[in-house]
Amino acid sequence: DAMVIQNPRYQVTQFGKPVTLSCSQTLNHNVMYWYQQKSSQAPKLLFHYYDKDFNNEADTPDNFQSRRPNTSFCFLDIRSPGLGDAAMYLCATSRAAEALSYNEQFFGPGTRLTVL
Amino acid sequence: GNSVTQMEGPVTLSEEAFLTINCTYTATGYPSLFWYVQYPGEGLQLLLKATKADDKGSNKGFEATYRKETTSFHLEKGSVQVSDSAVYFCALVSNYQLIWGAGTKLIIKP
Repeated sequence: DAMVIQNPRYQVTQFGKPVTLSCSQTLNHNVMYWYQQKSSQAPKLLFHYYDKDFNNEADTPDNFQSRRPNTSFCFLDIRSPGLGDAAMYLCATSRAAEALSYNEQFFGPGTRLTVL
Repeated sequence: GNSVTQMEGPVTLSEEAFLTINCTYTATGYPSLFWYVQYPGEGLQLLLKATKADDKGSNKGFEATYRKETTSFHLEKGSVQVSDSAVYFCALVSNYQLIWGAGTKLIIKP
């Protein structure tokens, strides 16, 4: 089945120790998103890629970076995790047939990050 | 700007009860509307969607109708099960973003 895969499902890191979360998709969607979600609140968009074009949300801290080496993979790098970065991180994809015409988003299972 | 408002939870019901979770929106134009569901410890799943006025989305016994005149997209189910316990999010698409409601936690008791 076509799907969005996130690894690992659970990640524990130490305060200040860089961590990378991974997302892959078999849907061949051209848009990939990273969200942060805390305590069953609404997800907060961090950034997204439209093909290779990176789009950062204005309020996303510089501590969060992303890479998309190819259509299938996207990574979230947290350079120096703080206690406040402990959250569920969700990857999503969508197919955009044309600019600004974004379809529904398909989500991965998420990676729960714990910062000690 | 665009926004989504949904009823606060938690909503607690007995099994086989009728469910309504209210959702209203403010938007420019007529965006597509969605209900997503999040089961404990899992990611978000699209439950149903509607892309234009008067469309009815349905899935797994859940329904929602896109009401332009009342700017609403209320979620309903005739007979809930314990397995429906989850958090439900109403959302609309605005450019590249999903604009989310705050989420409604649903608890179904046997």
